[in-house]
Amino acid sequence: DIQMTQSPSTLSASVGDRVTITCRASQSISTWLAWYQQKPGKAPKLLIYRASYLESGVPSRFSGSGSGTEFTLTINRLQPDDFATYYCQQYDTYSRTFGQGTKVETK
Amino acid sequence: QVQLQQWGAGLLKPSETLSLTCAVYGGSFSDFYWSWIRQPPGKGLEWIGEINHSGSTNYNPSLKSRVTISVDTSKNQFSLKLRTVTAADTAVYYCAREGRVRGVIGYWGQGTLVTVSS
Repeated sequence: DIQMTQSPSTLSASVGDRVTITCRASQSISTWLAWYQQKPGKAPKLLIYRASYLESGVPSRFSGSGSGTEFTLTINRLQPDDFATYYCQQYDTYSRTFGQGTKVETK
Repeated sequence: QVQLQQWGAGLLKPSETLSLTCAVYGGSFSDFYWSWIRQPPGKGLEWIGEINHSGSTNYNPSLKSRVTISVDTSKNQFSLKLRTVTAADTAVYYCAREGRVRGVIGYWGQGTLVTVSS
């Protein structure tokens, strides 16, 4: 199995901040990486696929980058609606795996 | 518009079999893989497995020995069975569908909390 490790586990930030979350894969996954946002009691929502492609309808303040084993999700000018937990997911292999999540909380 | 509606027993005893079904409304049933994903309370997401309309499956190796995912194309439904459950299988279980990209989840069911307790 490919292991996905996110950092940090928790991130304290304020509205307007620029936030960066890192996801590392235990082996190269090219750019077969997605990012999801999850709010309490809700199913996750797709933000980014293929490491850097923004899903339709997702605000442009979200961006993704990286390839191989290291990836980042950046949120520019954090908005109140962005306080949530974020997960990366690899789909390089048929056994999909998620990172453990990064909770973005209010500072 | 694609909607996934899931149901199944919410309380099980250890050693019983978890059984959930997901009905799909809208969109094509034959063009995508259909997945089950779970999330223990307060924890992260775990991919369980997937199936397509012809019954081709992929499973999480750590669960493969206890999991069966099946499909009923006549009803646009797919199902999950997880055998010999323990407290560690307590989780919210989601059914899901790929989006436009193979392997990326674009649509989710509402989730079902399954609790395993004696």
